[in-house]
Amino acid sequence: QVQLQESGPGLVKSSETLSLTCTVSGGSVSNGDHYWNWIRQSPGKRLEWLGYIYYTGSTNYNPSLESRCTMSVDTSKNQFSLSLTSVTAADTAVYYCAREVVGDDGSQFGFDVWGLGTALTVSS
Amino acid sequence: SYELTQPPSVFVSPGQTATITCSGDGLGRKYTSWYQQKPGESPLLVIYQDRKRPSGIPERFSGSNSGNTATLTISGTQPMDEADYYCQARDSRIAVFGTGTKVTVL
Repeated sequence: QVQLQESGPGLVKSSETLSLTCTVSGGSVSNGDHYWNWIRQSPGKRLEWLGYIYYTGSTNYNPSLESRCTMSVDTSKNQFSLSLTSVTAADTAVYYCAREVVGDDGSQFGFDVWGLGTALTVSS
Repeated sequence: SYELTQPPSVFVSPGQTATITCSGDGLGRKYTSWYQQKPGESPLLVIYQDRKRPSGIPERFSGSNSGNTATLTISGTQPMDEADYYCQARDSRIAVFGTGTKVTVL
């Protein structure tokens, strides 16, 4: 049973950089059948997809955040990470990492495994 | 940017059918997934590729997608189905979530 666990600072000051890590257990981040995603949920409960990374390091970001967003993968630690620069109060949210199954033809099967989420507050 | 719109709330009596819609331009040409989220929990995938159920999801959950609207149907709704539900699709490789629907079983 694959499990994901997010880790992060909990509190970041405005204009600083947020760094989050997702640790994969019970499976491998090097599995070529999966994309590894970051998704956040605002206090108003809206869900927003931030992007994904493939085990090769290939990424796909939400255009609304692309200029501030960097994702990386560490196959030796079975982890993937998110860095978000110049944070503001609008980045206050619960951040989830999630797995997405990808078919041979590139078709996607939804986010089938989620972490428990890590809450982030941006303070002024 | 692409948007998916859901009704804010749906009310259903136990044992009855709950229908949740998700509207988006040309949505029927895209695959839609549905997620259930209970308070304090992470979202749970209940439908993918419009109508497929992941292992462990009860048969009372079903989905369809045509035209500009995808639909999640909960047949024989149980009190445990009370939750927020979100649709999700991809537009040009960008994942988009719906606005969310709170299903109340009363």
